Amino acid sequence: GESVGLHLPTLSVQEGDNSIINCAYSNSASDYFIWYKQESGKGPQFIIDIRSNMDKRQGQRVTVLLNKTVKHLSLQIAATQPGDSAVYFCAEMAGNTPLVFGKGTRLSVIA
Amino acid sequence: GAVVSQHPSWVICKSGTSVKIECRSLDFQATTMFWYRQFPKQSLMLMATSNEGSKATYEQGVEKDKFLINHASLTLSTLTVTSAHPEDSSFYICSAPVTGGEAFFGQGTRLTVV
Repeated sequence: GESVGLHLPTLSVQEGDNSIINCAYSNSASDYFIWYKQESGKGPQFIIDIRSNMDKRQGQRVTVLLNKTVKHLSLQIAATQPGDSAVYFCAEMAGNTPLVFGKGTRLSVIA
Repeated sequence: GAVVSQHPSWVICKSGTSVKIECRSLDFQATTMFWYRQFPKQSLMLMATSNEGSKATYEQGVEKDKFLINHASLTLSTLTVTSAHPEDSSFYICSAPVTGGEAFFGQGTRLTVV
């Protein structure tokens, strides 16, 4: 079936540097995408979302980029901090279907 | 923002017993809730869609008689793991969508079957 996957399973970043986490999706009908942050033993926490009619959306220190041509999604975190260390999941939704999650990328921030 | 509360946050049970997990939407009504399971170092996998006032919809490979879902009100869905076995040990997470498509998640329940 359709799936959402990530290019990199782990990412180590120096504190203060920018982080980029990538995600590939395969369902061309997906029209809504969300990035979640999950800390150990906790449920996913919403970071930022984007709809398919947009290609970029910015939040506080985070930016999501959507390239529908190649079905690619990325999350950029500016000035990465130790508190950003977690597993990040992209998720997609087509219409009213449940969210489908990617495999996750573990971000490790080196102080 | 919308809040989804899940209880308990962790539970240890003996093999063969049943465990009930509750998922509540605290400040909004949820006609639909989703139940996910997450094994260590893996992603969230959808188990079932809970529908208020009607039967749940289960994903392929998920036993409906083992994972009983009840959505009796607009703010509460429960997942009961019946006759639990060690292989059912996992992190169970519920979510509820709100208007606009965003889904909010509960804190998760760590189930350990011994």
